[in-house]
Amino acid sequence: QVQLVQSGAEVKKPGASVKVSCKASGYTFIGHYMHWVRQAPGQGLEWMGRINSNSGGTNYAQKFQGRVTMTRDTSISAAYMELSRLRSDDTAVYYCARDLGGSALDSWGQGTLVTVSS
Amino acid sequence: QSVLTQPPSVSAAPGQKVTISCSGSSSNIGNNYVTWYQQIQGTAPKLLIYDNNKRPSGIPDRFSGSKSGTSATLGITGLQTGDEAEYYCETWDSSLSGVVFGGGTKLTVL
Repeated sequence: QVQLVQSGAEVKKPGASVKVSCKASGYTFIGHYMHWVRQAPGQGLEWMGRINSNSGGTNYAQKFQGRVTMTRDTSISAAYMELSRLRSDDTAVYYCARDLGGSALDSWGQGTLVTVSS
Repeated sequence: QSVLTQPPSVSAAPGQKVTISCSGSSSNIGNNYVTWYQQIQGTAPKLLIYDNNKRPSGIPDRFSGSKSGTSATLGITGLQTGDEAEYYCETWDSSLSGVVFGGGTKLTVL
C-alpha cells in the first residue's frame, strides 16, 4: 500500500531554515508528482508547491517563491521541502502528498510540525 | 482570503443530508477538475472525491460530488457522527499555475 513517512518535528529560530523529508513506498515513485501543503494552527490548508518526481521540475506558489526549494532523490524514493528565512507565522504542520493526477492528492504523509520561535 | 469560497460551517442531524458548496472562477473550477477532502481533527486530510464526482475505493457512496460552471458541491447523505470533520475543496488554478484550496467547512452532526 502507498505510504508516505515524514521526518520528525522541528523547532527553529526566526531566520533559520528547515528541511522536511518524505519517504515514499508502495508505488513507483517517479510516476507521480509530490506536493507540499501546510496548515497553520487552527487554519486551513495552504498549497506550497509540487515537484515532478521524475524530472525534478518544480512549481511553487507565488507566496513562497524565493524561500522554498523542493527536491527529490529517486534512488531512495524521497522528496524534500526546504523553507528558508523562517518567521513565526511559518509555524505549521507541513504535509507531503502524492498526486493521483489532475492535482487530486490521494495519499498524505503524517505531517511534520515545524515550530518557529525565538 | 481563499481563492475558493466555502461556507465556514454547516450542520445537520444524524441520518439527514447536507451539501457543502465551493465557489470559484473560470480560471479554476470553471476549467479544471474539483477535488474534495475530509480532515478529522488532528489527522491528515483524506481524499473523498476527485475529478468532480469520482470516489476512491473505500469511500462510501453516501459521499458525492458535482460541478456546474464555476461552482462545485459536496453532498453527504445518511449523516453519521463520524462524519464530523472539516471539508475542503481544491482545484488547479490556471492563472496562478498552482493548486488552490477552499477555506474549509466545518460539519457538525447534531
